[in-house]
Amino acid sequence: DAGVIQSPRHEVTEMGQEVTLRCKPISGHDYLFWYRQTMMRGLELLIYFNNNVPIDDSGMPEDRFSAKMPNASFSTLKIQPSEPRDSAVYFCASTTHTQGNQPQHFGDGTRLSIL
Amino acid sequence: DAKTTQPNSMESNEEEPVHLPCNHSTISGTDYIHWYRQLPSQGPEYVIHGLTSNVNNRMASLAIAEDRKSSTLILHRATLRDAAVYYCILRDKVQGAQKLVFGQGTRLTINP
Repeated sequence: DAGVIQSPRHEVTEMGQEVTLRCKPISGHDYLFWYRQTMMRGLELLIYFNNNVPIDDSGMPEDRFSAKMPNASFSTLKIQPSEPRDSAVYFCASTTHTQGNQPQHFGDGTRLSIL
Repeated sequence: DAKTTQPNSMESNEEEPVHLPCNHSTISGTDYIHWYRQLPSQGPEYVIHGLTSNVNNRMASLAIAEDRKSSTLILHRATLRDAAVYYCILRDKVQGAQKLVFGQGTRLTINP
């Protein structure tokens, strides 16, 4: 089975540029999560969707960040304009209807560097 | 979310058992105990979870204290590929708390 697929794997761009990260969840999964990992803050949840609808975006750092899920098989996380402090590894994860005991499946992440 | 406490790091030798502890003294009756691990340059990977009884799967065993205030992840025979950061996480069964709240985890080093 294909797992969660993220693209690109690596992104290097200059400050001020728009960055778009992409995620394809596992087929049939109805929850999708975006996480960010930094040395200082560890792994933190940014936003998650259920049936393509954003449920909790309290972790989104500021208005420069936006996430969409236009259909069940695709989601994007956009940063505009990007700043050096946005440099991190961004993970996407998916799971099926959860009752606290369904595992989340993570992609391999996108390593983002903002110069 | 109830908090968990884990040692920052542990070290073990290849082919020996490893016991990774986790304290969760404020656990509620509806919290599942989940373990994930993160290998270098990869996303977190589910390992095992349990509620009250000990659990076994192909990756590991989970031993849960009778009062549920602590648990231990057991790798029966560690290999070099088990070197990773291991996270112990509580998830509410009733509320279906969807998000995983990661702490700092335990960085496990396996010596050849």
